[in-house]
Amino acid sequence: SQQGEEDPQALSIQEGENATMNCSYKTSINNLQWYRQNSGRGLVHLILIRSNEREKHSGRLRVTLDTSKKSSSLLITASRAADTASYFCATDALYGNEKLTFGTGTRLTIIP
Amino acid sequence: DVKVTQSSRYLVKRTGEKVFLECVQDMDHENMFWYRQDPGLGLRLIYFSYDVKMKEKGDIPEGYSVSREKKERFSLILESASTNQTSMYLCASSLPRRYNTEAFFGQGTRLTVV
Repeated sequence: SQQGEEDPQALSIQEGENATMNCSYKTSINNLQWYRQNSGRGLVHLILIRSNEREKHSGRLRVTLDTSKKSSSLLITASRAADTASYFCATDALYGNEKLTFGTGTRLTIIP
Repeated sequence: DVKVTQSSRYLVKRTGEKVFLECVQDMDHENMFWYRQDPGLGLRLIYFSYDVKMKEKGDIPEGYSVSREKKERFSLILESASTNQTSMYLCASSLPRRYNTEAFFGQGTRLTVV
């Protein structure tokens, strides 16, 4: 079963603009993670936010977490052509087996 | 530089063949995972392992088995390959949950079953 669902499924913006992607999930979590995947490659970890954190920054990335709404957002500021990729959220559930459950991803295209 | 290495980037196999996908990590991670990725479906967990010789079914284990004889190696086995197993397969590893850290992924194996 898919724990996380990303929204939108696809996003195209002009270079320099900000990109926002959202993720919703269903069960209580230990942490939520965001990954990037360039076409046909493996996933690269971007940022991890723990269940007791509300916001986290890493360079041009800002992640927020609202556990009451079971949702998270990823903001990429001042986008670049190299940001073109698919972005996935993944949740580590608070209870049960130690596994990451992924959503279906957002395909981000940055137009030069 | 930490690494998860999958044995092949591209693989073409015939229907009915037994297929082995190998994954090796050099980070001494306890947890290892096999996912498959299909367009529009995201990543779906096939099997995972939290220790040597230990395994747990994921969301879509049918048609697959796994083997973990050594901590660094996790193998995915397609007992009798079928065309609906044509997909991208991704291996990952991580520390146990209590460390609250990320997973590391291999480069993926694109398997085509003809």
